[in-house]
Amino acid sequence: AQRVTQPEKLLSVFKGAPVELKCNYSYSGSPELFWYVQYSRQRLQLLLRHISRESIKGFTADLNKGETSFHLKKPFAQEEDSAMYYCALRDTGNQFYFGTGTSLTVIP
Amino acid sequence: ETGVTQSPTHLIKTRGQQVTLRCSSQSGHNTVSWYQQALGQGPQFIFQYYREEENGRGNFPPRFSGLQFPNYSSELNVNALELDDSALYLCASSLGLAGQSYNEQFFGPGTRLTVL
Repeated sequence: AQRVTQPEKLLSVFKGAPVELKCNYSYSGSPELFWYVQYSRQRLQLLLRHISRESIKGFTADLNKGETSFHLKKPFAQEEDSAMYYCALRDTGNQFYFGTGTSLTVIP
Repeated sequence: ETGVTQSPTHLIKTRGQQVTLRCSSQSGHNTVSWYQQALGQGPQFIFQYYREEENGRGNFPPRFSGLQFPNYSSELNVNALELDDSALYLCASSLGLAGQSYNEQFFGPGTRLTVL
């Protein structure tokens, strides 16, 4: 069963515009949710996790258990935000489930 | 402090062959996870090793096996290769503590496997 869904494969926004990358999940327990980012020619790296409840590079993500969502948001997109973004869930058995990713392009 | 390294960078095999991929974890890390990333897909969890023991496994057949060594480096072995095994194989290391929640995992650059 697909545990993490990212409905948008591609997303383009203009510089300075708000951006929201969608992530929905299915999990019966208490999930741990993450956003990973991969910049061009770089490794996959952690962007943020819901437990930390922090803002990284201006991005935030709130876990909404009612809607089973963990959307990633930024009020003003920058060109350097262009990258591949993956939403991921970790279950109680230490297994990670990644979504298929959203490629974000910020247009100057 | 060195980051996660993987070897080889690229590999071409034929169906039915066996392959071994290697991963050196980041200094101080004792946990290694392996992922398969097919083209256009997100990484799929294969298994995790913590202090030389398997500590979680995804939905992969037994022909995918692994090892972790006392220095916490790791190998991923795949037997009887199939065309669908063509993918980028990622390893990630972290400092794991038994019973503790997630510690950040750091990814390697991956090994690109092509099965013909």
